[in-house]
Amino acid sequence: RKEVEQDPGPFNVPEGATVAFNCTYSNSASQSFFWYRQDCRKEPKLLMSVYSSGNEDGRFTAQLNRASQYISLLIRDSKLSDSATYLCVVNNGDTGRRALTFGSGTRLQVQP
Amino acid sequence: EPEVTQTPSHQVTQMGQEVILRCVPISNHLYFYWYRQILGQKVEFLVSFYNNEISEKSEIFDDQFSVERPDGSNFTLKIRSTKLEDSAMYFCASSDGTSGGPGRFFGPGTRLTVL
Repeated sequence: RKEVEQDPGPFNVPEGATVAFNCTYSNSASQSFFWYRQDCRKEPKLLMSVYSSGNEDGRFTAQLNRASQYISLLIRDSKLSDSATYLCVVNNGDTGRRALTFGSGTRLQVQP
Repeated sequence: EPEVTQTPSHQVTQMGQEVILRCVPISNHLYFYWYRQILGQKVEFLVSFYNNEISEKSEIFDDQFSVERPDGSNFTLKIRSTKLEDSAMYFCASSDGTSGGPGRFFGPGTRLTVL
């Protein structure tokens, strides 16, 4: 079983749409969770951390369900500039020291 | 915002040659990482480095790979005898060790092409 699993997509949505991505992780000891964004041939960039209480940053909302080992990302009012690959990432440590484990990513294409 | 830098941006080499990829982490960071991403695949952890020694490494990081912090600023990844399957993007990252994820600061990557 993959450590971090994501639907590869692509998700093709019109501008202004709401889109949701899901991710599951296999290691119940994982402690920190993140969504990254990766543009083609660029480095991954941290989009947001994910907390059990849920957290929101503008049009982006992330949620964590530890019992189901499930992470989600909701993007509201999609923009063309949101087109990218979204990476679900877990960290088995509770500090910024342990290595990150990446999912394969979900590709989003926002269309005019 | 501070940033991690990497050189070169693109390296082309012949199979069997040695390559050294260079990274300059953020100056007050103490934890350093190398990741790689084969085209079309996921980002994979290679190695982490702290206090002048390897703190964690993956199965990918075999005897062909080594890391070094030769001075106070650079962090290098050496591949002794490159193989075709080493062709990938190599990302360096650094962290100050606080919570929030060590991936907060990734470098732009070096694209390694092995012919």
